[in-house]
Amino acid sequence: IAGITQAPTSQILAAGRRMTLRCTQDMRHNAMYWYRQDLGLGLRLIHYSNTAGTTGKGEVPDGYSVSRANTDDFPLTLASAVPSQTSVYFCASPPSRGSGYEQFFGPGTRLTVL
Amino acid sequence: GEDVEQSLFLSVREGDSSVINCTYTDSSSTYLYWYKQEPGAGLQLLTYIFSNMDMKQDQRLTVLLNKKDKHLSLRIADTQTGDSAIYFCAETPGYGGSQGNLIFGKGTKLSVKP
Repeated sequence: IAGITQAPTSQILAAGRRMTLRCTQDMRHNAMYWYRQDLGLGLRLIHYSNTAGTTGKGEVPDGYSVSRANTDDFPLTLASAVPSQTSVYFCASPPSRGSGYEQFFGPGTRLTVL
Repeated sequence: GEDVEQSLFLSVREGDSSVINCTYTDSSSTYLYWYKQEPGAGLQLLTYIFSNMDMKQDQRLTVLLNKKDKHLSLRIADTQTGDSAIYFCAETPGYGGSQGNLIFGKGTKLSVKP
């Protein structure tokens, strides 16, 4: 069982380019999240999805979009990357409400926008 | 809005106890968490405490919760060099919308000196 996988592991991107970060889980969890981690700022929620077919905005959604066509995949798209989007991106998912919202994290994608 | 605060750095000697402190603002948080992040890796759940508990002990880890003061602490007994990492405090927000995203502190970097 892989849990949560993310791709790519790292990427250097020119400003203005479009980029999709992939996240896949094999745990059949309903909810999935995208966070970005920046030095001195901790993790901040970008977008979330409570279940397949629904998405919502988190704390820092501007410049990002997501889709949730099925339970397993939750891609994050940067339509036109800017240097301030240089960050480490983590996808996460909780098993259920009863578990206390423990979240499983993917290994992260390190993105550099030049 | 919800906020989680923790000191950014802590340095201890190997064999000593480490205490990492955290304060939070959302009194309706059901669960509070401690996550560990090793260099270049994702976040890993260390332990969590339900809001109706005062203390939870798990081997070398002791979590204390003072709900009145909204203060959470993590004590690591007999700290080892392998405990060097960034430790994140997190809470479940009381607002609706998402289904269990966490609000994270900025992280405390624990350095263990031999």
